[in-house]
Order: sequence, then structure tokens, then C-alpha cells
Amino acid sequence: AQSVTQLGSHVSVSEGALVLLRCNYSSSVPPYLFWYVQYPNQGLQLLLKYTSAATLVKGINGFEAEFKKSETSFHLTKPSAHMSDAAEYFCAVTNQAGTALIFGKGTTLSVSS
Amino acid sequence: EAGVTQFPSHSVIEKGQTVTLRCDPISGHDNLYWYRRVMGKEIKFLLHFVKESKQDESGMPNNRFLAERTGGTYSTLKVQPAELEDSGVYFCASSQDFPSVNTGELFFGEGSRLTVL
Repeated sequence: AQSVTQLGSHVSVSEGALVLLRCNYSSSVPPYLFWYVQYPNQGLQLLLKYTSAATLVKGINGFEAEFKKSETSFHLTKPSAHMSDAAEYFCAVTNQAGTALIFGKGTTLSVSS
Repeated sequence: EAGVTQFPSHSVIEKGQTVTLRCDPISGHDNLYWYRRVMGKEIKFLLHFVKESKQDESGMPNNRFLAERTGGTYSTLKVQPAELEDSGVYFCASSQDFPSVNTGELFFGEGSRLTVL
């Protein structure tokens, strides 16, 4: 069965520090994996996606994620956090039919100055 | 180009009442999805339309929920009668051709927050 686990419901970093948001997945078929971000009072916005091409995926706003099959992980990173990165981040995997997304519980990122 | 729009943004109703949520997808997107997030929980899939047809409604919680998509354009999600546990944020998303490599993205609306008292 398809599922996503996001480790840590809340992550706090200082401005300029490394951002690491963890995501592990379970999939019975080769997965497509996604990271979405939700800023306050906005809809979910796609950050990046893995669709079986390069294992290191670069997204918007300086974020990137690496697909590691052996670890069933798809962690999101950004070298230097900015105040504007404060938001809730969701990892998602396609369902078995490949027709919809299954989301994790989300991780709220706080950035302090 | 207009994004996915949802109405109302917030609805407060009493238990037993009826609420209808509306979603207008991006023009030309055949795929339309409804998701729900109950406070503190993950965003859960409710159902998927392809044009006017229900492709997958495996996530609909019970028969108090009715989704329609008239003419393959906008969609409505009716909850009747509403219960306390129906409170949450209902998201609509649309896509042109998910999840192909080139266009594999769901575009989300801002959500409709439903509070059942």
C-alpha cells in the first residue's frame, strides 16, 4: 500500500541555517514523489517532483530533494533558510493506480532571525 | 490564467444542516480532485473526476457526502446532514494530465474551511 511518513510535525531553524525536512515512503510500485508547500491562507503549491528521472531533484525557491530507493526516502533540503520559507510542507506519493496523491501529515517550518 | 477557485472560503453551520462547497478548476483541466484535511491529520483523498465522470470515489467517508461535476466544468461537494466530524478544510485540485512527467502536477485551490457546531 502507498503511504508517506513525515518525521517531525514541527521544525525550527535560524535564518541562514540548513533546512532538512524528512519524508519516508512506502510504495508497491515505482513511486512518483512530490513536495508541496502551503503558505498561510494559500493553497498548496508544488515545490518539486520526482518522476523516475534524476534522483536529485531541484525545485523552486532553492529547495531540492534526493530520491533514495534503498532508504525509501525523499528528504527535502535547502542550504540556507530564509524567513519567507516559513510554511507547512507536505510530502506526497502517487497512489497505486497513479491517478491521485497520498499526502503525509505535513511539517511546519519556522524560521527565526 | 485563473487558478483553482473555491467557494465559500469559510462556512460555519450547525450539526444537521446542509452545506455545498463549490470548486472551479483551471479551464481545460479534465481531472478534478477533492481532498479533506481534518485538524492535525493528513490531507486525505476524497474523490477524482475525469470530466463529468467519477473515476475514483474510494475516499468518500459515507453517503452523507455527494459530489457532482456538471458538464465536466465546476464541481460541488454537498454534505447532508453535516456532523461534527465533518469539520475541516476541503481542498479542490485540478490537473491537465496527471501524473505524466511533463504535466504531472495537481493545482490546488485555497480550500474551503468547514466548521460544524
